[in-house]
Amino acid sequence: DGGITQSPKYLFRKEGQNVTLSCEQNLNHDAMYWYRQDPGQGLRLIYYSQIVNDFQKGDIAEGYSVSREKKESFPLTVTSAQKNPTAFYLCASSIRTTYTGELFFGEGSRLTVL
Amino acid sequence: GIQVEQSPPDLILQEGANSTLRCNFSDSVNNLQWFHQNPWGQLINLFYIPSGTKQNGRLSATTVATERYSLLYISSSQTTDSGVYFCAVEASTDSWGKLQFGAGTQVVVTP
Repeated sequence: DGGITQSPKYLFRKEGQNVTLSCEQNLNHDAMYWYRQDPGQGLRLIYYSQIVNDFQKGDIAEGYSVSREKKESFPLTVTSAQKNPTAFYLCASSIRTTYTGELFFGEGSRLTVL
Repeated sequence: GIQVEQSPPDLILQEGANSTLRCNFSDSVNNLQWFHQNPWGQLINLFYIPSGTKQNGRLSATTVATERYSLLYISSSQTTDSGVYFCAVEASTDSWGKLQFGAGTQVVVTP
């Protein structure tokens, strides 16, 4: 079935460690996105990519890094520079149109910093 | 940046009841989407509706872009409708890809 796969679903990290969250899609979408969700709040955009080998910072990119080497994959690294990394991370994809296309989301990854 | 305000913040419904959720936004938009997040965190796109009216089963949505609001209607609610409903908009003045999410409406449907 077509969809977006995020892994791991749950991740625990010690302070000072970098972690990488995986996002893979088989929807043949050009555009991919990473959002962060904190309890009781909406989603905030971290990074997004319209095409392979190109990506842009969203509203809260500090302390995060991404790569887009393949159309299907858009991994997110949470670095030790991110001061408050405990959150729910959501990956999404869409077709690339004049405006942001209809977003399809993965099931999310919950990161807890111990 | 554009402000997105959703109301009410919380809603408790008895099964079978109808309800209306509202999304106000502070600037002109060229994109508006409604999402449902289930209790396990999965987000599903309900509507892509920058203007006009759409219906999908018991759900329908209307966006009046000139007055800067959108409404999501839930009819004959079911317990599976529980979760958080988000509105997200892309301002006409923003660069591509920047959907701004509201804080959501938490809906609980009781049997």
